[in-house]
This record gives sequence, structure tokens and C-alpha cells, in this order.
Amino acid sequence: ETGVTQTPRHLVMGMTNKKSLKCEQHLGHNAMYWYKQSAKKPLELMFVYSLEERVENNSVPSRFSPECPNSSHLFLHLHTLQPEDSALYLCASSQASGTGASYGYTFGSGTRLTVV
Amino acid sequence: KNEVEQSPQNLTAQEGEFITINCSYSVGISALHWLQQHPGGGIVSLFMLSSGKKKHGRLIATINIQEKHSSLHITASHPRDSAVYICAVGGNRDDKIIFGKGTRLHILP
Repeated sequence: ETGVTQTPRHLVMGMTNKKSLKCEQHLGHNAMYWYKQSAKKPLELMFVYSLEERVENNSVPSRFSPECPNSSHLFLHLHTLQPEDSALYLCASSQASGTGASYGYTFGSGTRLTVV
Repeated sequence: KNEVEQSPQNLTAQEGEFITINCSYSVGISALHWLQQHPGGGIVSLFMLSSGKKKHGRLIATINIQEKHSSLHITASHPRDSAVYICAVGGNRDDKIIFGKGTRLHILP
């Protein structure tokens, strides 16, 4: 265990379903991230919550909706996804200094999502 | 041009060989990370560097801030080292990090 726990590990959902991915960290970090990794592509940053503020990547479709109720928990709510959204979704956390630098990036094991 | 470039993209070597993976970046950074991703997706953070050199077991990471270049070395490579190795840089101005495309390493027994 890395200290960042993601559930579920695998998820198969239909295009009309609504599901949520969960991420939990017990490292005392104050920044959390969602990344998407599609086949044969680099990791793509989706959302950042840092120092309790959300930094949104404007290229993420609205069918992905993040929620960060506190500094230890991060959710990614999914609805009406498309087959091309099938990917590995990774959560990470770090300690943001407030001056722009972040330290101690730690990744979860990811959720393998398949949209059918 | 990508802000983080890794080379080579793919590398196959025999067990026991000395492995070097390179990373060049074009942005100002606060830190550089080397990550390891095994089949199945889990990512492990190997090193975080802001200067000099770090060593952990058979892994060595170096960074040259002036040249904006880092290398990851594996000594006495083993088949269990087979994975994708990713270089990532943390920017000076925000909390985002930029990832390279990764180097796929395959060590043959």
C-alpha cells in the first residue's frame, strides 16, 4: 500500500450508468489529483484540488465531475460515459507548499474503467 | 515539441546489463520525479530530485539543472525491473506536473 487507496480496482459500466470512483489518502497531504491514462498515451491531468481549491482542466468533459469533501478524500463522479472513456484512472496526492511547489507525489493503484 | 522528452521509448536488454533512461525538459521546475509503472497500472514513485544524485538499491537518478536533463540508471538489471519508467517534472508556478511518455523497459532472462 502506498498510502493512497483507490476503489474499486476494476469497474465495468454501461453508457447510461452513473458511478463514482473513490480515492482516500492518509499521508497528511493537502493536494489531490485525478489522472487519466489511455492506452499508448501519456498520463493526462484531469483535476487538481490544492489547498482546498479546485483547479480544473477545461478540456475535461462535463460527464466527469470531481468532488473533494475534505483533504483526505476525492471522488470522481461518472455519468453517460462513452466507450472512449475506458482507461485507467489514477489518483495521486502531494504536499503543496502554497508557493507553487509540490512534494512527495504518491499515486494510488488506479481504477481500470471499461465503458460498454 | 513536448515539454518533457524521454529516450529511448522502448528498450530491451539482457539480464545483468546496465540500463540508462534519459529525460530532458524545457520548463522551469521545482522537482523532477522518476516513476515506475508495472503491468496492471500501479505507479510507484522511485525518486524525487531537485539537484544532484540519489541512489536506492540498484537504482540511481541524477539531474543536471543547468542542462535540464536527468538520467535513471539501473545496475545489474533483472527481469523484475521490466516496467514503464516515467519522468515527470513539477513546475515552478503551479501544483501540476508534466509527464513524459514513458520508456518501456523489457529485461530478458
